[in-house]
Amino acid sequence: DQQVKQNSPSLSVQEGRISILNCDYTNSMFDYFLWYKKYPAEGPTFLISISSIKDKNEDGRFTVFLNKSAKHLSLHIVPSQPGDSAVYFCAARGSNDYKLSFGAGTTVTVRA
Amino acid sequence: NAGVTQTPKFRILKIGQSMTLQCTQDMNHNYMYWYRQDPGMGLKLIYYSVGAGITDKGEVPNGYNVSRSTTEDFPLRLELAAPSQTSVYFCASSYGLRGADTFGSGTRLTVV
Repeated sequence: DQQVKQNSPSLSVQEGRISILNCDYTNSMFDYFLWYKKYPAEGPTFLISISSIKDKNEDGRFTVFLNKSAKHLSLHIVPSQPGDSAVYFCAARGSNDYKLSFGAGTTVTVRA
Repeated sequence: NAGVTQTPKFRILKIGQSMTLQCTQDMNHNYMYWYRQDPGMGLKLIYYSVGAGITDKGEVPNGYNVSRSTTEDFPLRLELAAPSQTSVYFCASSYGLRGADTFGSGTRLTVV
């Protein structure tokens, strides 16, 4: 049973525009959420995170929004750059959990 | 700073063979993890460790074993390789529950 879902397998966006990646979760015990970026033949790298006590966290061009009532989070990338072309994974854990539950990933392609 | 180092990067095994995937981290992280990623899927946790001498099963532990004799090393053992174990394996470590996991670059394993 997949507790973290990324329903869009791919996203294509023009350079300079906004990329919006979505993620839904089912486990109400999740209270910490992370986004990872992955290039081919490399391991995932941490991008940004958010705790359930917040509804927004910003780091440069990356902003994560959390809607706890809807069990939904999103990652905004503004402006999108060619180097942002990668697979993005949403992940979540509970407060007493050592392990992450991952979504299946969204492949972002930034067009010049 | 090497971070998390995995060896080998690629391996082809015959059905029934055994092998050990090596993982070493130099960040003095207490928590270490093994994930597998199948095509089109998110990462699934195989085993994890909260410190030297302590290991526990994740979501998909069958067919695997681990040990944690030191803080730095967390090898994953496949005893009788099966085609279902064809996957990309990632080792990760973290400082604490809220620390973002740092991933190795992965081992691509094919069982034929």
